[in-house]
This record gives sequence, structure tokens and C-alpha cells, in this order.
Amino acid sequence: AQKITQTQPGMFVQEKEAVTLDCTYDTSDPSYGLFWYKQPSSGEMIFLIYQGSYDQQNATEGRYSLNFQKARKSANLVISASQLGDSAMYFCAMRVTGRRALTFGSGTRLQVQP
Amino acid sequence: EPEVTQTPSHQVTQMGQEVILRCVPISNHLYFYWYRQILGQKVEFLVSFYNNEISEKSEIFDDQFSVERPDGSNFTLKIRSTKLEDSAMYFCASSQGRGDNQPQHFGDGTRLSIL
Repeated sequence: AQKITQTQPGMFVQEKEAVTLDCTYDTSDPSYGLFWYKQPSSGEMIFLIYQGSYDQQNATEGRYSLNFQKARKSANLVISASQLGDSAMYFCAMRVTGRRALTFGSGTRLQVQP
Repeated sequence: EPEVTQTPSHQVTQMGQEVILRCVPISNHLYFYWYRQILGQKVEFLVSFYNNEISEKSEIFDDQFSVERPDGSNFTLKIRSTKLEDSAMYFCASSQGRGDNQPQHFGDGTRLSIL
């Protein structure tokens, strides 16, 4: 079974600063993918970034980057230059190769302060 | 940018009634999914659908639930004889292929309230 743990229920960050949202995972499968999604107050789930278990480099997508430490089973999301519009719930999720289901963490609510 | 569309945005139903939640996945996507999120809890996988059949389902997806792709564009989730604990946000998602790096794109969700 897979498990995703997000230990920060809430985070605050000042506008224009960087913030790291933690995610640790547990699986016995050697091949898997890690995803981050953003859920604004309006409720939709927005895909942000993907990291494969065999990827040698950390994934980056614009202001989002993923700090992937395989030995520690962590996949932290780093948001640089925070904007007010980044205020939302952020979910880390995992899917093992050969399966379709995403397993989600409990999420971190990020609030960006002006 | 193409998106997954879900209707209705909010559904209120009496306990014991049947409800159908509707989704239009992104047009060139081949894999379709339903998830649910009970208020304040994690997003949970229900079912995945490919090539007109269920490819994977969770323990939550029991005989009360069914999915269907009645035509070339719609994907539906039917809940028979709804219970109070079925109250949740239901998300439809789709993905283009089966590759590991293929993200699932979610709709805005349908909030289901069972009275």
C-alpha cells in the first residue's frame, strides 16, 4: 500500500518570498510518480508538477520546483517568489507504475501575506 | 486550454435516491477517473475507466456505484440508494495516456449533499 504524509496543515509566507511544502511518501514499489496539485478556495484541482522515481534531475515548472530526495522518500514542493494568488490548498500525490489510482496526502493550506 | 467539465456543480438529493454525476473529459484523453473528497478529508480514488471498462477500483467503489460512458463525450458516475455518508465533493479526471508522467486533469467537482 502507498502512503503520502504532509505534516504541515498550514503555512504562512510573505509575498515574494520562497516557501517549501513538505511531502514524504511510503511505497515498496520501485517505480512510481509523484505529483503536486493546487486546490484554490473555488475547489478545482490544478496539476502543478511531476517527478518520476527514476528521474535524475529535480523537476521544475516555472516558479514551482520539486526537491526530490529518493533515499529519504521525500518530494517537497518549492514555490519561489510567492504571489497572493498562490494562497490555496496543496496536495502531494503518488501513483505507482502499472496502477491508475492516485494516492493523496492530507494537504497543506498555504496563505500568502502581502 | 481544454478542461474537464462537470455538471452539476452542486447536487442536493434525498437519502435513498439515485444520483447521476456527469463529466465531459478532455477530448483526446483515453483514461477517465472518479475521486471523492469528504469535507476536511483526503481526496480518495474511486475508479478508473479505459476502453469502455473499469480498469481499477477502490474498496469504496462497491455495488452502490457504477460508471458509464454513454456516448463519445460523457462519463457518468451513478450512485444508487444514496446514504448520508455519500455527501462529498466528487471529482472527475482524465489523462491522455498510460505513461507514468501523464498527469490526471481534474474538473471543478460536484458537491453532493445527501439530506
